[in-house]
Amino acid sequence: DADVTQTPRNRITKTGKRIMLECSQTKGHDRMYWYRQDPGLGLRLIYYSFDVKDINKGEISDGYSVSRQAQAKFSLSLESAIPNQTALYFCATSDPRGPADTQYFGPGTRLTVL
Amino acid sequence: RKEVEQDPGPFNVPEGATVAFNCTYSNSASQSFFWYRQDCRKEPKLLMSVYSSGNEDGRFTAQLNRASQYISLLIRDSKLSDSATYLCVVNSGGGADGLTFGKGTHLIIQP
Repeated sequence: DADVTQTPRNRITKTGKRIMLECSQTKGHDRMYWYRQDPGLGLRLIYYSFDVKDINKGEISDGYSVSRQAQAKFSLSLESAIPNQTALYFCATSDPRGPADTQYFGPGTRLTVL
Repeated sequence: RKEVEQDPGPFNVPEGATVAFNCTYSNSASQSFFWYRQDCRKEPKLLMSVYSSGNEDGRFTAQLNRASQYISLLIRDSKLSDSATYLCVVNSGGGADGLTFGKGTHLIIQP
């Protein structure tokens, strides 16, 4: 079984809709992250969390919000989706006992906003 | 602005050949360096860390040149299964927001 799971795996929605992407992990890691990946742009950090009470903005947080419901769950919301949020979204975790550099990624959610 | 630059490729290489590609970074204060592998439509996975002294893992060798601010990845005796995109990752800040991912180099191993 996968250690980091994401739901849904694919989603097509319309402009203005609220969307929530969910991430769960069984690795026991405190640190969790949300990234988006666009063709030609690489991975960019949206938000990250070092524990349940800690939420931090990343490079491109505008238009997104997150919720850390538990150590194992970290959700990403798009309050009012727009077409340029069409991308591949990855959740990741890292081991608090090690450097933040080693990231364990979920399988990704492919989001299309029409 | 943190920058990590990679040749996007694609590199088309015959099976069994040796292939190498580099990644340059702009922040001289960068602290740690990594290569990740990403298969098409899949998540990135850590391939190897890059140490100052260079390191080897089987057919893969990674090297760091701090003076010229680049890291390299060498793949020997390439296999069809090595076909993937290789992401260079640099940590400039020591924290979670210090990671910068390169856009990746696409490698195609041909039979």
